[in-house]
Amino acid sequence: GQNIDQPTEMTATEGAIVQINCTYQTSGFNGLFWYQQHAGEAPTFLSYNVLDGLEEKGRFSSFLSRSKGYSYLLLKELQMKDSASYLCAVREALRSNYQLIWGAGTKLIIKP
Amino acid sequence: ETGVTQSPTHLIKTRGQQVTLRCSSQSGHNTVSWYQQALGQGPQFIFQYYREEENGRGNFPPRFSGLQFPNYSSELNVNALELDDSALYLCASRVSGSGNEQYFGPGTRLTVT
Repeated sequence: GQNIDQPTEMTATEGAIVQINCTYQTSGFNGLFWYQQHAGEAPTFLSYNVLDGLEEKGRFSSFLSRSKGYSYLLLKELQMKDSASYLCAVREALRSNYQLIWGAGTKLIIKP
Repeated sequence: ETGVTQSPTHLIKTRGQQVTLRCSSQSGHNTVSWYQQALGQGPQFIFQYYREEENGRGNFPPRFSGLQFPNYSSELNVNALELDDSALYLCASRVSGSGNEQYFGPGTRLTVT
């Protein structure tokens, strides 16, 4: 079956670093996405990984290990505006088009 | 701003009624997907339209239906509303074959009483 797990909530301090983990079990794999979603707003694209390794984009980095069914999103130099939910989503290889399987999201709380 | 708009922003309906939600895709985007997001959950894929035809569907009953128009705007219709249909409904658009990023609209918050 399909399953995506990520922590429900995390707390971190402004200026620090936080790592949000995501594990997945899917019938096939064709890429993993991270999205940021502020309360009451639409998700916004952060990163995409399809090969193993680290993708860096400014303060945000995303890592993928396909053999372990594991990814993490790393946020550096945390700012108060980073308080949001972070959604992990997997595109299954068996599904045509653009069907993503989403995790429930990790609510990140940034404290001063 | 993603260039994707949705209307209405909020909507309250009673059980058994029908509702139509609208999405206007970013210019040039020929593919639109609709998602249902319950409070505290990730989005659930409803269906996708490409060139006015449905070409992918998630695990939703037939009372969820859609349309895509030549100008790439689209509709989500839900008949016989149930209390569990209360959720945020998101549309996302992209250009088919262009890559991996899709652009979400702000969503419509539907409450069924």
